[in-house]
Amino acid sequence: GQSLEQPSEVTAVEGAIVQMNCTYQTSGFYGLSWYQQHDGGAPTFLSYNALDGLEETGRFSSFLSRSDSYGYLLLQELQMKDSASYFCAVKRSGATNKLIFGTGTLLAVQP
Amino acid sequence: GAVVSQHPSWVICKSGTSVKIECRSLDFQATTMFWYRQFPKQSLMLMATSNEGSKATYEQGVEKDKFLINHASLTLSTLTVTSAHPEDSSFYICSAGGGLADTQYFGPGTRLTVL
Repeated sequence: GQSLEQPSEVTAVEGAIVQMNCTYQTSGFYGLSWYQQHDGGAPTFLSYNALDGLEETGRFSSFLSRSDSYGYLLLQELQMKDSASYFCAVKRSGATNKLIFGTGTLLAVQP
Repeated sequence: GAVVSQHPSWVICKSGTSVKIECRSLDFQATTMFWYRQFPKQSLMLMATSNEGSKATYEQGVEKDKFLINHASLTLSTLTVTSAHPEDSSFYICSAGGGLADTQYFGPGTRLTVL
């Protein structure tokens, strides 16, 4: 089977750093993506890792360990607008850009 | 960046009727588009892969005769929910791959409510 597990909720304060984890078990793996979704909106792309290590894009960083089937998204200098759901998604090898989404983490940023 | 639109943004229909949702890539050509369904506070579930000029590929458990997909051009895919029932009420989102396909660009979604 396939599964991507994420903690259901995380709460943090403005200005802090938060890490959201993702563990996956899939048949075929090409890369791990991260998407942000505000309530009622469309998912927006944040980051992508195909190789082990850390990718940094502004306040967002994403990490991947293929041997551990694990990744995380790191958000720094949290802002109230970062309150949203965050999904990891596996791009499966052999399939045309097909994504399987994780269970999602709801991030609540408090003042 | 790549823009994907959906129409309508929301629709309310009676049980037993059919509803068509359009997904358009506005500034790029998409040979492949994807349709997802998302129930409240849940993840996105891939329903099917829409291929231009050929039949869609459905995920396990998705009824192809109920969710009709047509991808007649490189910029348009449509999803028709046939004989809709209240349990089909959901948020339907389409997406299209971009470039080297490290990313997918998502439409704004269509909220379907079946009474």
